[in-house]
Amino acid sequence: GENVEQHPSTLSVQEGDSAVIKCTYSDSASNYFPWYKQELGKGPQLIIDIRSNVGEKKDQRIAVTLNKTAKHFSLHITETQPEDSAVYFCAARSGGTSYGKLTFGQGTILTVHP
Amino acid sequence: DAGVIQSPRHEVTEMGQEVTLRCKPISGHNSLFWYRQTMMRGLELLIYFNNNVPIDDSGMPEDRFSAKMPNASFSTLKIQPSEPRDSAVYFCASSFRDRAKNEQFFGPGTRLTVL
Repeated sequence: GENVEQHPSTLSVQEGDSAVIKCTYSDSASNYFPWYKQELGKGPQLIIDIRSNVGEKKDQRIAVTLNKTAKHFSLHITETQPEDSAVYFCAARSGGTSYGKLTFGQGTILTVHP
Repeated sequence: DAGVIQSPRHEVTEMGQEVTLRCKPISGHNSLFWYRQTMMRGLELLIYFNNNVPIDDSGMPEDRFSAKMPNASFSTLKIQPSEPRDSAVYFCASSFRDRAKNEQFFGPGTRLTVL
């Protein structure tokens, strides 16, 4: 089955700096890659996603890049703000018989210091 | 829309007791997922349903866990008997199965503590 590795596990930045979180996946048939943000005491919430036919997608201060050949994708947050502090999860959607199933990375705890 | 609704939000029980977690998915969604989140194992998919039918239950840890979806607007996850190692936050999520996108909307979770 699919295996998703996420790095780093913790990331600490100063307000205004950029933050980058990286993920790799194992199943070349995976075709959809969402990123979720989880705030304390809440469920994960989708912040951005990318499909396998696109190399990059941007939404205001966040962007995601995908390298299908290398099977890795990254989340970029620019001009970080304290409210960006949360746990971020990457995920990959498997193809084939497990269609629809998301496999999540282990999560990255992002702390933005004012 | 109220989003995915889970109950109870917190549950404290003693080892050996039966625990039932409940979920109401977003109206119109046809896929429902149960996850377990712990510090050690992260976010694990336990089981998911499509059109009320269980599709993949390979993540259910053992026979003590069971899940049902009697109709499109309700699902339960039952643990019987419960054990301390079952303590975790359990999330329910729902989505509209679509080839182009698969956004899953998560509920607020149920924090389970088994003493």
